[in-house]
This record gives sequence, structure tokens and C-alpha cells, in this order.
Amino acid sequence: GQNIDQPTEMTATEGAIVQINCTYQTSGFNGLFWYQQHAGEAPTFLSYNVLDGLEEKGRFSSFLSRSKGYSYLLLKELQMKDSASYLCAVGNYGQNFVFGPGTRLSVLP
Amino acid sequence: EAGVTQFPSHSVIEKGQTVTLRCDPISGHDNLYWYRRVMGKEIKFLLHFVKESKQDESGMPNNRFLAERTGGTYSTLKVQPAELEDSGVYFCASSPGIEETQYFGPGTRLLVL
Repeated sequence: GQNIDQPTEMTATEGAIVQINCTYQTSGFNGLFWYQQHAGEAPTFLSYNVLDGLEEKGRFSSFLSRSKGYSYLLLKELQMKDSASYLCAVGNYGQNFVFGPGTRLSVLP
Repeated sequence: EAGVTQFPSHSVIEKGQTVTLRCDPISGHDNLYWYRRVMGKEIKFLLHFVKESKQDESGMPNNRFLAERTGGTYSTLKVQPAELEDSGVYFCASSPGIEETQYFGPGTRLLVL
């Protein structure tokens, strides 16, 4: 099976930078995806990595190291609306997703 | 462009009853996925359709769950008979291709009493 770990909760201040880590144990996968989910809403796609390295999309960046079994999501210039759960998901070949437990981020003024 | 829609948004039923959830994917997306999140756990894969065919149903918990996608458009997920442990949020997602980003619907919150 696949184990995916994320911190349960994080707190950061408006305007700051926060890094949400995701570690996994899996032998092979197509890509690693990050989703944002506000309470009661659909998970919304943020970013994904197929190759090692950093992918930047505006205020959000995601990093992958396959050799280390590690990814992170970097959020810059935090805003109050960034308070949400952040889900790390491994996309298998054939593309069923295996999700981590999610990290609940609280952004404080 | 309309996103993935799901109906109903909430359902409360008694143990032993039947419930049918519906998912309308983004138009033109051949790939449709069902996932669920039970209380306190992570989102877990149930099954994957490519058009009207079941590509992978390895995540279906037991034979009380039946998914269909007749005509390759919308999909239904029927739970019959429902048990208490079926309570959770059922998400549907769709993607244009098999190795592309999946777009999720808002989910159906199912409570079995």
C-alpha cells in the first residue's frame, strides 16, 4: 500500500510564507498533486509535479523529490482566505488518487 | 464552463434503506472517478470510469455499492442496503485524459442513522 503523511494542523500569520510538507512511501506513481479544500466545498486543484523540482504558480509553489519521497507546498503572501485544508495526493498510473490526511491551515491576522 | 456537479448535496437515511448519488462530470471529460471520505479519515478512491466502462473498481468496499455510467455521461452510485459505516462525504471527479488533473465536485454528505 501507500502511506502518505502530512502535519495535521498549521498556523501562520497573514502576509507570511508557509511550507506544508508531504512524505510518502510508494514504489512508483505518475505525479504528485496538491489540492485546497475549504470546509464543505470541493477540493480545488492547486499544483502538481511529475518531475523532481519546483513548480511555481503565482503565490503557490510545489516541490517534489522522488528519491527522498518528499513534497511540499509553499504558500507566499498568505491571505485570510488561504485558511483551508491542503491535501497531498499521489496519482497512480491509471490515475486513481491516493490522498494524504490533509493539513488544516489557519491564517491569523 | 460548468464544473463537476453532484446531487443531492446532503442525504440522511435509515440503515437498510437505499440511496442513489448522482454525478455530472465536466462536459467532454471521459474519465470519471468516485471517492469517499469517512469521518476522520482521508479521501479514498472507489472507482474509475472511462466513458461508460469501469476501468478500475478496486476501491469499492463491497457489493452493496453499485456504480453505473450509462451512455458515458453522468454517473450514479447506489448504496443498497445502506449501513451505518457508509456515512461520509462522497466525491466525484472528472478529467479529460487518464493522466491529467482531476476536477472535483462539492460532494454528497451521506448520513446513515
